[in-house]
Amino acid sequence: AQSVTQPDIHITVSEGASLELRCNYSYGATPYLFWYVQSPGQGLQLLLKYFSGDTLVQGIKGFEAEFKRSQSSFNLRKPSVHWSDAAEYFCAVGPSGGYQKVTFGIGTKLQVIP
Amino acid sequence: DTGVSQDPRHKITKRGQNVTFRCDPISEHNRLYWYRQTLGQGPEFLTYFQNEAQLEKSRLLSDRFSAERPKGSFSTLEIQRTEQGDSAMYLCASSIRASTVMNTEAFFGQGTRLTVV
Repeated sequence: AQSVTQPDIHITVSEGASLELRCNYSYGATPYLFWYVQSPGQGLQLLLKYFSGDTLVQGIKGFEAEFKRSQSSFNLRKPSVHWSDAAEYFCAVGPSGGYQKVTFGIGTKLQVIP
Repeated sequence: DTGVSQDPRHKITKRGQNVTFRCDPISEHNRLYWYRQTLGQGPEFLTYFQNEAQLEKSRLLSDRFSAERPKGSFSTLEIQRTEQGDSAMYLCASSIRASTVMNTEAFFGQGTRLTVV
């Protein structure tokens, strides 16, 4: 069965600092991988997704993620965090066949301090 | 079109009451999904529609839950005889059907937060 592990439930970074959110997945074949962000009072918004090709994926809002098959990881990064990035971030994995088959992680809550 | 909208945003109900939530998807989207998100968890799939047909239901969707999408437009999710364990955020999303998820995106609404007291 597919699964996603986000080992950090809560992370605090200073504004302007770099950010890396960890995600490890378990999937029997080549996975489709996603990162979503959920701001307070907002719905989930897709930051980026990956299936094949270049293992470094660029997303919106200056985020990027790197797929490492050998480590079963898909970590999200941002070189310089802004206060508006404070939100909850969800990694997800699934097959090609539709969003009904996507499994989400439990999320990492990001706090940004001035 | 401003995206996926859900109504109400918040609902407090007494245990044993029935509640109904509404989701209006993006107009050209033929797929509509319902998810449940409990505190400290990610969204969990409940059910989805392609046009008006309900194609799949999760085992999380007990007999007390029913969803409809008449005419393939808006959808409703009803919970009968609510229990405290039903307290959660109920999320709706919509997408265009495509050959692969890489060719489409699921857009989420803001959710309906249900509190059963």
